Amino acid sequence: NAGVTQTPKFRVLKTGQSMTLLCAQDMNHEYMYWYRQDPGMGLRLIHYSVGEGTTAKGEVPDGYNVSRLKKQNFLLGLESAAPSQTSVYFCASSGRHSGANVLTFGAGSRLTVL
Amino acid sequence: GQNIDQPTEMTATEGAIVQINCTYQTSGFNGLFWYQQHAGEAPTFLSYNVLDGLEEKGRFSSFLSRSKGYSYLLLKELQMKDSASYLCAVMDSNYQLIWGAGTKLIIKP
Repeated sequence: NAGVTQTPKFRVLKTGQSMTLLCAQDMNHEYMYWYRQDPGMGLRLIHYSVGEGTTAKGEVPDGYNVSRLKKQNFLLGLESAAPSQTSVYFCASSGRHSGANVLTFGAGSRLTVL
Repeated sequence: GQNIDQPTEMTATEGAIVQINCTYQTSGFNGLFWYQQHAGEAPTFLSYNVLDGLEEKGRFSSFLSRSKGYSYLLLKELQMKDSASYLCAVMDSNYQLIWGAGTKLIIKP
C-alpha cells in the first residue's frame, strides 16, 4: 500500500519554464490537497479538491493551476515558474474534510527556480 | 488574522520529558492537530484534540484548552528518534487547516 506518491522528488527550473507535479493516492480518498512549505513558515494551502472533477483555491493559489481528472490523481502545474516558487511541495489526501481530518502526506517535491 | 504560535526550537535530553506549546488565534475552532516531521520527510499524524483535556497515546500526550487557545504536546522517555519538527495545526470554522511554523526538537544523548 503506497499511500500518497509524488513525482518528481526534485526539479530545477529556469524562470519562465513550466512543469507539472503529479500526486497519486491509492486509498480511495475523496479529498486531496497541495501545500508548499517554506523555512520559518507553516504549511500553506495552494489548491485542494473535494472530489473527482472539482478544484478550489487555497491560501496561496496565484501562479499555480490544478486538475483532478481522476479520483486518485491530483496535478499541480506551474505555467511560468518564478524564483518565489522555490519551495518544497507536499501533496496530501484524506477521507474527510472536517472533524478528525487526518492527512496522509506524500514524501514531498523539492523545486528550485533559478 | 489567524495565527498559530510555537517555539522555533527546543533542546532536550534523551530519557527526559519535553513539553511543546502551541497557542492559536483562529476564526472558529474545529479541532487541533499535531504532526511530526523528520528532516526531509513528510509530516505524519500524531494526535487530534477537539474537546478540552488530555489525550494520551503511548509516550505522547496532547492537551487542549479551548478557552485559552492553548495546546501542548508532551513527549515522555525521549528517544533519539524523536528528534524532529512538531507541527501544530488548527481547523478553523471553514474547516481549513491553519499551520504553525513548527518546533524543531533536538534530542541530546
